[in-house]
Amino acid sequence: DIQMTQSPSTLSASVGDRVTITCRASQSISSWLAWYQKKPGKAPNLLIYKASTLQGGVPSRFSGSGSGTEFTLTISSLQPDDFATYNCQQYSSFPWTFGQGTKVEIK
Amino acid sequence: EVHLVESGGGLLKPGGSLRLSCAASGFTFSNAWMSWVRQAPEKGLEWVGRIHAKVDGGSVDYAAPLKGKFTISRDDSKNTVYLEINSLETEDTAVYFCAKELQRAGPTPLEYWGQGTLVTVSS
Repeated sequence: DIQMTQSPSTLSASVGDRVTITCRASQSISSWLAWYQKKPGKAPNLLIYKASTLQGGVPSRFSGSGSGTEFTLTISSLQPDDFATYNCQQYSSFPWTFGQGTKVEIK
Repeated sequence: EVHLVESGGGLLKPGGSLRLSCAASGFTFSNAWMSWVRQAPEKGLEWVGRIHAKVDGGSVDYAAPLKGKFTISRDDSKNTVYLEINSLETEDTAVYFCAKELQRAGPTPLEYWGQGTLVTVSS
């Protein structure tokens, strides 16, 4: 199975900060990577797929980059609604696997 | 608007079985490929498996370690996808999510998710 490793596990930031989350795959997944936002008790929300394609309706402050084994999710200016947990997922090969999550907390 | 609503969770004893349901609306369900994902307490998300649309063959893919424990099926007349879990173990305690895949076939992310249903396995 492809292992997905996110860093950091927790991130403390303030409104307006630029935030970067990293996701590393244990082997190349080309660009078959998605990022999701998860809030407690709510459905996960697809933010980005194919490493850098913004899902419809997602604010442009979210962006993704990378290919192969290293990927990043960037929030250009953190907003109050962005405090949540973010997960990466590879869908290059079965079983699809997720990173362990990065919790973005209020500093 | 797309809605996915899971149901059927609860408190169950080890060794038992249950069937979770996911009722879908807001899209053409019969054309959709659907997945199940679970999240155990304090653990990460784990993909369980997916079912293709019947027009595409209707086959099912499972995460290999979980094959045999889970059965995914669908009833397009009810816009519902199911997840049967047998031989329940405490390790099956998790929130179970259903999700609609972005596209049919090929590498695809999970476009829409439900809020999940909690399954607790305890003696």
